[in-house]
Amino acid sequence: GAGVSQSPSNKVTEKGKDVELRCDPISGHTALYWYRQRLGQGLEFLIYFQGNSAPDKSGLPSDRFSAERTGESVSTLTIQRTQQEDSAVYLCASSLVWGDQPQHFGDGTRLSIL
Amino acid sequence: EDKVVQSPLSLVVHEGDTVTLNCSYEVTNFRSLLWYKQEKKAPTFLFMLTSSGIEKKSGRLSSILDKKELFSILNITATQTGDSAIYLCAVGDNNDMRFGAGTRLTVKP
Repeated sequence: GAGVSQSPSNKVTEKGKDVELRCDPISGHTALYWYRQRLGQGLEFLIYFQGNSAPDKSGLPSDRFSAERTGESVSTLTIQRTQQEDSAVYLCASSLVWGDQPQHFGDGTRLSIL
Repeated sequence: EDKVVQSPLSLVVHEGDTVTLNCSYEVTNFRSLLWYKQEKKAPTFLFMLTSSGIEKKSGRLSSILDKKELFSILNITATQTGDSAIYLCAVGDNNDMRFGAGTRLTVKP
């Protein structure tokens, strides 16, 4: 499809395990954004990429979180040594360039830490 | 500290009612305010507002921004059950977008 694609759609894992979440942005979109949405809360900005560069990583909750992007395509968000408070929906969005609005969102990955 | 506050957090109405959702914000560098509708998964874009006093309208939905008082409202007239969703307000500054907690709207038949 032509939209933002995220995988897996659901992930259940044990506390302490590492997880990797994937985002395929809309083709041609150079900017990519990661957000976290905890139950009943709004979206929390984590990190954005312009191309494969991430100028601002200050939104990442801890050093267990990291993100990479290959060129201007796929991005992965990795959470190491998962904790129960990491349980949330992780949403990815993309736009033509950074700052361009609106952002187009994927369906998210629902992460549950047991 | 930058913040976006939406009210009410939850609202239950009956079909045909008119609702007004509120979003107030405090950000260091304002660029735009956006409204999204989130039903089951991905938020879908509704409106982007950058200038005060200019109403954006799409069908039964409309929105307006007041940059002096730092708030926006989203109006939905003649509500339908399909309007049931979480409505998110996001404010973009020069660095990122900040989202409010959302208003959960439930429209009963």
